Amino acid sequence: GEDVEQSLFLSVREGDSSVINCTYTDSSSTYLYWYKQEPGAGLQLLTYIFSNMDMKQDQRLTVLLNKKDKHLSLRIADTQTGDSAIYFCAEPLDSWGKLQFGSGTQVVVTP
Amino acid sequence: GAGVSQTPSNKVTEKGKYVELRCDPISGHTALYWYRQSLGQGPEFLIYFQGTGAADDSGLPNDRFFAVRPEGSVSTLKIQRTERGDSAVYLCASSDNTGELFFGEGSRLTVL
Repeated sequence: GEDVEQSLFLSVREGDSSVINCTYTDSSSTYLYWYKQEPGAGLQLLTYIFSNMDMKQDQRLTVLLNKKDKHLSLRIADTQTGDSAIYFCAEPLDSWGKLQFGSGTQVVVTP
Repeated sequence: GAGVSQTPSNKVTEKGKYVELRCDPISGHTALYWYRQSLGQGPEFLIYFQGTGAADDSGLPNDRFFAVRPEGSVSTLKIQRTERGDSAVYLCASSDNTGELFFGEGSRLTVL
């Protein structure tokens, strides 16, 4: 089947904005998620967006959804060293907790 | 601790051996999920429990994999006759069905 696709790596300077992109597979997905994974820590839900929204803003995070192109993006404003992590987008399969994850984008923040 | 607890954090075993991985979910969470994460990949769904019963085990790769949750709380993932391809991080997550999964730190399995 099709995969949820993400770029593998992003390097960004501290204070700049980061944009992480994702292409998902199911146009009927009701929610789309962004998870963050830091070394030595579990996956953490960062934010999510309902499929009837085009944009969601949550402090430094902005999620954009283009349903026509099945494209999801996460923008992190004023990126900090603590934002260094792997970011996964995910969509539900046939039930909300059964998720299909992308392969993850490693974000490295340099001083 | 209030989070999802998984033990052991690391397990090294030999090909052909039997392995058990344990997940202690957040108290009161009725839903429990097992995922597997191979190196450089995102997590892949294995099985989902609602209470004591396996509501969906469609992600288990073959019949060497089995999971139980006898009292609706702690769950054990069991792998028989381990193979090198089983090496991965096994993640457990629990939920109170409000839309967020809470993940543990995972059990890293290495099969030599």
